[in-house]
Amino acid sequence: DAGVIQSPRHEVTEMGQEVTLRCKPISGHDYLFWYRQTMMRGLELLIYFNNNVPIDDSGMPEDRFSAKMPNASFSTLKIQPSEPRDSAVYFCASRPPGGRREQFFGPGTRLTVL
Amino acid sequence: TQLLEQSPQFLSIQEGENLTVYCNSSSVFSSLQWYRQEPGEGPVLLVTVVTGGEVKKLKRLTFQFGDARKDSSLHITAAQPGDTGLYLCAGPGSKHQFGAGTQVVVTP
Repeated sequence: DAGVIQSPRHEVTEMGQEVTLRCKPISGHDYLFWYRQTMMRGLELLIYFNNNVPIDDSGMPEDRFSAKMPNASFSTLKIQPSEPRDSAVYFCASRPPGGRREQFFGPGTRLTVL
Repeated sequence: TQLLEQSPQFLSIQEGENLTVYCNSSSVFSSLQWYRQEPGEGPVLLVTVVTGGEVKKLKRLTFQFGDARKDSSLHITAAQPGDTGLYLCAGPGSKHQFGAGTQVVVTP
């Protein structure tokens, strides 16, 4: 059974360019989370969805960041325009319905903005 | 937001030694989770502790939830190189607040 799938695994771009990160959650999971991880700030929650609806985006750093979940099997995190300080590893995670609170993480996308 | 503080930040030990890492908060949690993250991968859940005073064992790993449900510890007995990783604790709720983690390195 496939886990959470993220693409690309690595992205190198120049400042000012648009970056789109993609995530396919585990089938049947109704929660989807986007995180950013850096050495300085650790693992930060950016936004999460429940049944494709954004519930809390208070962790999104600024208007340059946006996330969508058009259907239960796909989500995107977009940065436009990108800046060097956006360099980080971005993780997507999904969680099954019910009382079990385990999150299943994807392998992450390592973003480098030059 | 309930903050989780983890200590130490970094721990380097030899294979066969024991180690303990801590997760503390000033807030009471209904539950706490421990994850391990290996290089180049996402975190993977190890255990969820729910009851104050609870002790759970996972092979050589022992997890304890404080009586007051404000703190938790992870003890590894006879550490092996495969235990190397970033150990993260996380609070409950959909926002799932994570601590900064303890980086553990076990050398042969």
